[in-house]
Amino acid sequence: QVQLVQSGAEVKKPGSSVKVSCKASGGTFSNYAISWVRQAPGQGLEWMGRIIPILGIANYAQNFQDRVTITADKSTSTAFMELSSLRSEDTAVYYCARDPRIYDYSYSDPWGQGTLVTVSS
Amino acid sequence: EIVLTQSPATLSLSPGERATLSCGASQSVSSSYLAWYQQKPGLAPRLLIYDASSRATGIPDRFSGSGSGSGTDFTLTISRLEPEDFAVYYCQQYGSSPPVTFGQGTRLEIK
Repeated sequence: QVQLVQSGAEVKKPGSSVKVSCKASGGTFSNYAISWVRQAPGQGLEWMGRIIPILGIANYAQNFQDRVTITADKSTSTAFMELSSLRSEDTAVYYCARDPRIYDYSYSDPWGQGTLVTVSS
Repeated sequence: EIVLTQSPATLSLSPGERATLSCGASQSVSSSYLAWYQQKPGLAPRLLIYDASSRATGIPDRFSGSGSGSGTDFTLTISRLEPEDFAVYYCQQYGSSPPVTFGQGTRLEIK
């Protein structure tokens, strides 16, 4: 079965960028989409966007449109989420998750273990 | 954007009792594209229900989901609570996107 393993925790300065990776194992990377969802401390879940690796097409939530870039490397079955112009409010756990449906938006299963990004001066 | 409102915010019950969690949508969710997730502290969310009423692989049958004909009211029912069921539950709609949206969560706590 598919497992998603994310890169480790990051500490960043305000105004900088962070790039989080998500490597898939077990299952064909091209048969699904990868979504990114974040969760601020003690808060709920917020969808950021997703990519369909086989098509190389990414869609973003309007809240993040100007600051997030989601990419995928099919050769290594790895997806990436880069968030720029970081501010303290971006401190959160960032999750990647597999979307089984490519041609519709989809529920997500399974999820990666999460990557804590801390933005602090 | 479809806004999902979950109620109650907190539900206090005892093991063995029945739990009913609600998720209301600000407009109809296309094709009943609604999911439920369980999240325990320090862990990633786990998919329980998708397409309003289909159980995910490995989810016990004490978890069930339903939706109204209007496409705006959805319910997660846990028929008989086990100790491991106490967690936070989120609903998610993916029928009208972007964006996919989540409810704010219901905390199910032990009474």
